[in-house]
Amino acid sequence: DQQVKQNSPSLSVQEGRISILNCDYTNSMFDYFLWYKKYPAEGPTFLISISSIKDKNEDGRFTVFLNKSAKHLSLHIVPSQPGDSAVYFCAANFPGAQKLVFGQGTRLTINP
Amino acid sequence: KAGVTQTPRYLIKTRGQQVTLSCSPISGHRSVSWYQQTPGQGLQFLFEYFSETQRNKGNFPGRFSGRQFSNSRSEMNVSTLELGDSALYLCASTRGTEGETQYFGPGTRLLVL
Repeated sequence: DQQVKQNSPSLSVQEGRISILNCDYTNSMFDYFLWYKKYPAEGPTFLISISSIKDKNEDGRFTVFLNKSAKHLSLHIVPSQPGDSAVYFCAANFPGAQKLVFGQGTRLTINP
Repeated sequence: KAGVTQTPRYLIKTRGQQVTLSCSPISGHRSVSWYQQTPGQGLQFLFEYFSETQRNKGNFPGRFSGRQFSNSRSEMNVSTLELGDSALYLCASTRGTEGETQYFGPGTRLLVL
């Protein structure tokens, strides 16, 4: 049972445009959501997070939106840069637990 | 502040052997979580240790075990290795309170032949 889903395995965006990565979840108990960026054979690098009591969080070029009624979150990257090319994972956490549930990842490619 | 470190970075073992991986968390962090990444199953939670006690456990067989020391360093052990245990093993650390971000180490790449 896949509790966190990223339905797009890949996404290609032109440099300077907006990248939008999507993530759906099924368990309404999740209370904390995170986005990580990952390169092959390396550990995930934290990008941005959002608590379930918020619907938006911004950090520089990165904005995460949370729609609890739809059980959906998205990551917006504006403007997209070539260095943003990587695999992006969304992850969700349960209250009081350090036990992340990850999506399958989306490979983002930024074209010059 | 130094990040999460993991040793060794690469390891080759044969079926039936056992392996121990090590993780040193960020200074001041008391919670260490372990994850396995494989092409087929993605990133999956193994277990979490906090103050030397296993606090959460994922759905892995008993061949996978771990422990945590008083300095918060953690080790995970896999006994009787199988080919399917070939994976990237990642650890992450936090202070251990709610709503915290987990910071990951670079991982240990294990190849079982």
